[in-house]
Amino acid sequence: IAGITQAPTSQILAAGRRMTLRCTQDMRHNAMYWYRQDLGLGLRLIHYSNTAGTTGKGEVPDGYSVSRANTDDFPLTLASAVPSQTSVYFCASSPTGPRTDTQYFGPGTRLTVL
Amino acid sequence: AQSVSQHNHHVILSEAASLELGCNYSYGGTVNLFWYVQYPGQHLQLLLKYFSGDPLVKGIKGFEAEFIKSKFSFNLRKPSVQWSDTAEYFCAVSGNNRLAFGKGNQVVVIP
Repeated sequence: IAGITQAPTSQILAAGRRMTLRCTQDMRHNAMYWYRQDLGLGLRLIHYSNTAGTTGKGEVPDGYSVSRANTDDFPLTLASAVPSQTSVYFCASSPTGPRTDTQYFGPGTRLTVL
Repeated sequence: AQSVSQHNHHVILSEAASLELGCNYSYGGTVNLFWYVQYPGQHLQLLLKYFSGDPLVKGIKGFEAEFIKSKFSFNLRKPSVQWSDTAEYFCAVSGNNRLAFGKGNQVVVIP
C-alpha cells in the first residue's frame, strides 16, 4: 500500500510560470488537504476537500487552486508562481473530515520559485 | 477559529534526559488533539492523539501527552530520550472542521 504519493519530489520554477503539484492516495479516504510548511510557521492549510466534487479554502488560499474530480486525486495548481510560494508542500488525507480523523501525510514537494 | 501555541521552538538535550514540550490551544468548543512528528527528511507521522476518555494518552516510542482541559493544554512528554528522537514535533488541534497546527518544536538529541 503506497498511501499518499506526491509529484514531483522537488521543483525549481521561474516566477510567473504555472505549476501543478500532484497528489494521489490509494486509501479511499474522503477528505484531502494541501498544506505548506515554512520555517518557523509550521503547517498552514491552503485548500481542502471533504469529498470528491467539493473543495474549500484554508488559511492561505491566495494564489492557489485545487480540484477534486475523483476520490484519489487532489492536484494543487499555482497559476502564476511568485517567490513567496517557495515552500515545502504536503498533501494529506483522512477517512472523513479533520475533526475526528487522523490525517495521513505524503512525502512532500519542495518548490523553489526564482 | 482555533489556534495553537508551542513554546521553546528549539530544544537541545542529551540522551536519557527527559523531554516535555508545551502545547496550548484556544478554542471554545470540543476539540481533538494530536501530536505529529517529522523526522529529518521525512513526512509527518502521528505520534499520539486524544479524542475522549483518559486524559493521559500514550503514543508510540514511549511518548505520552496529558490533556488538561482547564489549562487548554496538551503537553508532550518522554521520560528518557534517544538520539533517534531528533525531529520536529507539531501539536495540532481539530475543531470547527479544521486542523490547526502549532509552529513546531525542533528537538535535537545529542548522543
